[in-house]
Amino acid sequence: DTEVTQTPKHLVMGMTNKKSLKCEQHMGHRAMYWYKQKAKKPPELMFVYSYEKLSINESVPSRFSPECPNSSLLNLHLHALQPEDSALYLCASSQKSGTEAFFGQGTRLTVV
Amino acid sequence: QKEVEQNSGPLSVPEGAIASLNCTYSDRVSQSFFWYRQYSGKSPELIMSIYSNGDKEDGRFTAQLNKASQYVSLLIRDSQPSDSATYLCAVRVSGSGNTPLVFGKGTRLSVIA
Repeated sequence: DTEVTQTPKHLVMGMTNKKSLKCEQHMGHRAMYWYKQKAKKPPELMFVYSYEKLSINESVPSRFSPECPNSSLLNLHLHALQPEDSALYLCASSQKSGTEAFFGQGTRLTVV
Repeated sequence: QKEVEQNSGPLSVPEGAIASLNCTYSDRVSQSFFWYRQYSGKSPELIMSIYSNGDKEDGRFTAQLNKASQYVSLLIRDSQPSDSATYLCAVRVSGSGNTPLVFGKGTRLSVIA
């Protein structure tokens, strides 16, 4: 089973809203990632959690706040986003950081 | 700066032909290499991983790695229209600490029926 589950699949939010994206995996993977992907671009790394600790933050604006409540769950809290933050947000996990990563289906986010 | 380069395409091949996708990388200590397929509007799907020089075959897919020349390729035999997608090359540099994958920009493949 190589399933990473993301919810919701689609999200429309206003610039003053607060929302959260959720990601779950039950493969025993100890590294989890958030990526952002714009149309016709490759995935762009945002955050890496390794053994439930934030290990990489790629200079992401503070309006994006990650959280790893336990080894199976990863959240991305969103607040005061801008229209240019509209993108496909991908969660991924791997046995450990840098090994083959498996992606969830993504959340299509639209900021209005 | 670790870079992964791919020709963005589109690469057009007729149905039944072999599609050849190439990827070069800049960091000589890169150790692990992956190919992902991404359909439009969908998330990337891992299709091949390769760690040592040579060829690795899985069904219609063959990954080839040449560390001396710093390139990795993906061959798709008997290409089908359903193979039309963007193929992302990803590279991991070994070392201590956390080394997430570095992605190329992807090659768009179009298989013409």
